[in-house]
Amino acid sequence: DQQVKQNSPSLSVQEGRISILNCDYTNSMFDYFLWYKKYPAEGPTFLISISSIKDKNEDGRFTVFLNKSAKHLSLHIVPSQPGDSAVYFCAASAPYNNNDMRFGAGTRLTVKP
Amino acid sequence: GAVVSQHPSWVICKSGTSVKIECRSLDFQATTMFWYRQFPKQSLMLMATSNEGSKATYEQGVEKDKFLINHASLTLSTLTVTSAHPEDSSFYICSAERGQGLLNQPQHFGDGTRLSIL
Repeated sequence: DQQVKQNSPSLSVQEGRISILNCDYTNSMFDYFLWYKKYPAEGPTFLISISSIKDKNEDGRFTVFLNKSAKHLSLHIVPSQPGDSAVYFCAASAPYNNNDMRFGAGTRLTVKP
Repeated sequence: GAVVSQHPSWVICKSGTSVKIECRSLDFQATTMFWYRQFPKQSLMLMATSNEGSKATYEQGVEKDKFLINHASLTLSTLTVTSAHPEDSSFYICSAERGQGLLNQPQHFGDGTRLSIL
């Protein structure tokens, strides 16, 4: 049972434009959400997170938006750069479950020069 | 539905016991599988990269004799925590990449295994 879903396996954008990566979840008990970035042959690295008490968190070019009523979050990257090309994973956790994380399947972002 | 199955989902055992965790790709062949350990504040540490038919590649600081990894087939990798101690209690997650030659295929994570050593 996939509790965290990333329905777009891939996304391609032009350099300088905005990249929007989407994530949906089914478990209303999730209260902490994270985005990870992964390059080939490496483990995912933490990018940005958001607590359920917020609806937006910004860090430089990266902004995560959380819509609790829709059980949806998104990662915005603006402006997109070729170095942002990677696979991005959405993850969620809940305190009732030891804060163990559940991951989406990932979205491969390609930023074209 | 899930494409990577991790088993067991949780285990409680006594100190000194060895625990085996399985990671299976259900509908694809996974040449490469990864094992992670989750730390507080959802920090994720890559422990090792498991390649079918060859020895696993361990990250620096991970004891290969403590965490035995076997990737005997294209659909199964196992992590055995040998002589587990309370400090090994954690959440272990595996992920699997589809075989080479398939472009734009995502990596799939298992649902993890919560290991509690008493």
